[in-house]
Amino acid sequence: EVDLLESGGGLVQPGGSLRLSCAASGFTFSTDGMSWVRQAPGKGLEWVSAITSSGTSTFYIDSVKGRFTISRENSKNTLYLQMNSLRAEDTAIYYCTKVGRGGNMRFESWGQGILVTVSS
Amino acid sequence: DIQMTQSPSSVSASVGDRVTITCRASQAISTWLAWYQQKPGKAPTLLIYAASNLQSGVPSRFSGSGSETDFTLTISSLQPEDFATYYCQQANSFPVTFGGGTRVESK
Repeated sequence: EVDLLESGGGLVQPGGSLRLSCAASGFTFSTDGMSWVRQAPGKGLEWVSAITSSGTSTFYIDSVKGRFTISRENSKNTLYLQMNSLRAEDTAIYYCTKVGRGGNMRFESWGQGILVTVSS
Repeated sequence: DIQMTQSPSSVSASVGDRVTITCRASQAISTWLAWYQQKPGKAPTLLIYAASNLQSGVPSRFSGSGSETDFTLTISSLQPEDFATYYCQQANSFPVTFGGGTRVESK
């Protein structure tokens, strides 16, 4: 059974940094793309970033380009999201997701989510 | 960016009802569309991918259809556990985008 466990969230001041981690188990991590999706309080879903299985290609929503970096460590079955220059509008629950195979960017497994609050 | 528009934003229904939710893409996306269900305080779960493919373990009362710009999620006979919010998502191109959500609530 796929299990995705996020950590590293919390309260940070505007302009600060956080690194989210996602520990994956129950599947061959190194063969699957991964992604982060967020949800602001009381709002809908927003895709943030994705990374290919090897880590060679990464993708971002415009609002986080240059501030967030997605990466992975396949030897540790772990996905990361380094978040710098955080803004109030980055406040959200961040979900780690496993991308389905077959060239179809679907999020077939989700972690329980981790809350990031950006506030002074 | 491709905009995804869902309607209605909310629907009131009773157990046993047939419920239909629509999703419209601002440009053609072939069948690169997925549907998710989210219950309060929980992570979303994948229901349908590639417009009409049922994800493993999802009850057969859920079905999806459509192509290019117009898509539909249908719940053939609403069950108590189906009261939730539903989102569509286009997978045609980056940035991936979601619809605004449809809340299915009890009448």
